[in-house]
Amino acid sequence: AQKITQTQPGMFVQEKEAVTLDCTYDTSDQSYGLFWYKQPSSGEMIFLIYQGSYDEQNATEGRYSLNFQKARKSANLVISASQLGDSAMYFCAMREVMNSGYSTLTFGKGTMLLVSP
Amino acid sequence: EAGVAQSPRYKIIEKRQSVAFWCNPISGHATLYWYQQILGQGPKLLIQFQNNGVVDDSQLPKDRFSAERLKGVDSTLKIQPAKLEDSAVYLCASSPLAVSYNEQFFGPGTRLTVL
Repeated sequence: AQKITQTQPGMFVQEKEAVTLDCTYDTSDQSYGLFWYKQPSSGEMIFLIYQGSYDEQNATEGRYSLNFQKARKSANLVISASQLGDSAMYFCAMREVMNSGYSTLTFGKGTMLLVSP
Repeated sequence: EAGVAQSPRYKIIEKRQSVAFWCNPISGHATLYWYQQILGQGPKLLIQFQNNGVVDDSQLPKDRFSAERLKGVDSTLKIQPAKLEDSAVYLCASSPLAVSYNEQFFGPGTRLTVL
């Protein structure tokens, strides 16, 4: 079973509008973390935002916010006021602590966001 | 602060040939990761180092892939012999620690094409 599910292969949004990218996750751990990364065509993964499982407030970083619904196991990324430079692949990832005590990241398949003028 | 460096950026080889990728993490980062990202998919962890020790290589195809991190700094990932299905982007990442929240910082990746 997939641990991270991103159901939207592609999303289109007009410049200056808001867009929500969906992410659901599966874990039985109490302590975990959720990340969103942006991958432009250049290929580098750029960290956007982090939400810890015990954080009561939704994380925000500038135009990015994470809509964390723990009971539903969802961690959707909201981008406000989209810009042309937001066009990229977006990956949701979950950090879990392994039995070894070290943590690892598991990524979803990603959502391609295209922002039009 | 310099980011994660990787080389080469692109590599084209024929199947059954060997190839090696190099990664230099951010200075002081104890944890180093190698990921494989096949077109249209998210990155998949191949191997994780803490300093110069391996802490997770459960998804590394050990019959053809090998990796080392001598002296706990830079790392090399080798494929020998390469198969067509190894065509992918190989991403290196580093983080200060792996045992608590720390974002991973990624390099630009090496795009491998196996013909």
